Amino acid sequence: DQQVKQNSPSLSVQEGRISILNCDYTNSMFDYFLWYKKYPAEGPTFLISISSIKDKNEDGRFTVFLNKSAKHLSLHIVPSQPGDSAVYFCAVNGVGTGGGADGLTFGKGTHLIIQP
Amino acid sequence: NAGVMQNPRHLVRRRGQEARLRCSPMKGHSHVYWYRQLPEEGLKFMVYLQKENIIDESGMPKERFSAEFPKEGPSILRIQQVVRGDSAAYFCASSPSNHQPQHFGDGTRLSIL
Repeated sequence: DQQVKQNSPSLSVQEGRISILNCDYTNSMFDYFLWYKKYPAEGPTFLISISSIKDKNEDGRFTVFLNKSAKHLSLHIVPSQPGDSAVYFCAVNGVGTGGGADGLTFGKGTHLIIQP
Repeated sequence: NAGVMQNPRHLVRRRGQEARLRCSPMKGHSHVYWYRQLPEEGLKFMVYLQKENIIDESGMPKERFSAEFPKEGPSILRIQQVVRGDSAAYFCASSPSNHQPQHFGDGTRLSIL
């Protein structure tokens, strides 16, 4: 039973437009949320995080939105660039994740493709 | 400022052999985590360690798998008597404390013949 779901295995976006990646979670006890980006044959790279006391966090081209009532998290990338093409993982932290209180629980990822 | 270092990058073992995966955390990080990624899956938490202590091993199989983070030297993930199903990418991450972003190494790809 997946606790973190990324329902879109892939997403194609034109260069310069906004990319929106979505993530749903099941447990309201989760209190820390992160997005990672991963290129093939490399480890995940941390992008941005948000704690449950906030509903938005912004860092340059990346903004994460948290909707606690809907148990929904999204990552906005604007404008999208060719180097953004990668697999994006949503991850959560907190009691009841199955990763212990400190291990991260990951979604299966969304492959973002930026088209020129 | 070196990142998380994992070695080897690729490891091939025959069934029944032992696999040892090493991880050196980022400088200043005392928290180490191990994850496993199977093909087409997300990363799955295995174990969380601090120096000389296993804090949480709830994601690690009870048999054949062990982990340590000694006072000196890297963290080691050991898999004894490997089987085909152990083939995966194993990632290590570190953080300065819990509830802070974890930074990942580039992983060890383990292949079992």
